[in-house]
Amino acid sequence: NAGVTQTPKFRVLKTGQSMTLLCAQDMNHEYMYWYRQDPGMGLRLIHYSVGEGTTAKGEVPDGYNVSRLKKQNFLLGLESAAPSQTSVYFCASRSTGGETEAFFGQGTRLTVV
Amino acid sequence: GNSVTQMEGPVTLSEEAFLTINCTYTATGYPSLFWYVQYPGEGLQLLLKATKADDKGSNKGFEATYRKETTSFHLEKGSVQVSDSAVYFCALRGDSSYKLIFGSGTRLLVRP
Repeated sequence: NAGVTQTPKFRVLKTGQSMTLLCAQDMNHEYMYWYRQDPGMGLRLIHYSVGEGTTAKGEVPDGYNVSRLKKQNFLLGLESAAPSQTSVYFCASRSTGGETEAFFGQGTRLTVV
Repeated sequence: GNSVTQMEGPVTLSEEAFLTINCTYTATGYPSLFWYVQYPGEGLQLLLKATKADDKGSNKGFEATYRKETTSFHLEKGSVQVSDSAVYFCALRGDSSYKLIFGSGTRLLVRP
């Protein structure tokens, strides 16, 4: 009963380093999302995917790249981390059709120093 | 574009008090509206939803009514408990849109 799993849960990066956050879902959902959560700003959409092999930009895509090579996985990459990317990152997925519920992972707390 | 505005928190209440958290939205057409809840250290969970005007979503004693005339989806609960302490997010998904847009969140603290 895993649902949406994010790895890692915590990470500290130095400015300029790169890293990849992994999101995996076992519900066969078509749609997947990456959000960042910052105090007073709620959740802002970074990138999303409507199916395997597809990605699209959200509200705040700059500095991030994504890939959806397999339906169950959605990767978020930071090529050159900046302190402004210090945040909590959430992945979510949902199925198609109707007004389906989005399921969220537990989050990844990233600090860039 | 679509957007959601929530009342700022934190909201501090005593146990058994009445709760209202205001949410208004801007969207064309007929968006679907949601309330999500985030407990400390966890991801978001769907609390309730409404997909058309005048629909009332309800769950765990919480209710919200989709009011198209006032573009609002206020969250209410008649008697809050300490266990309701969390951050509440209002969200919408626009017509023909894949995106789920969130408000800034409202922190609720319920004291015994």
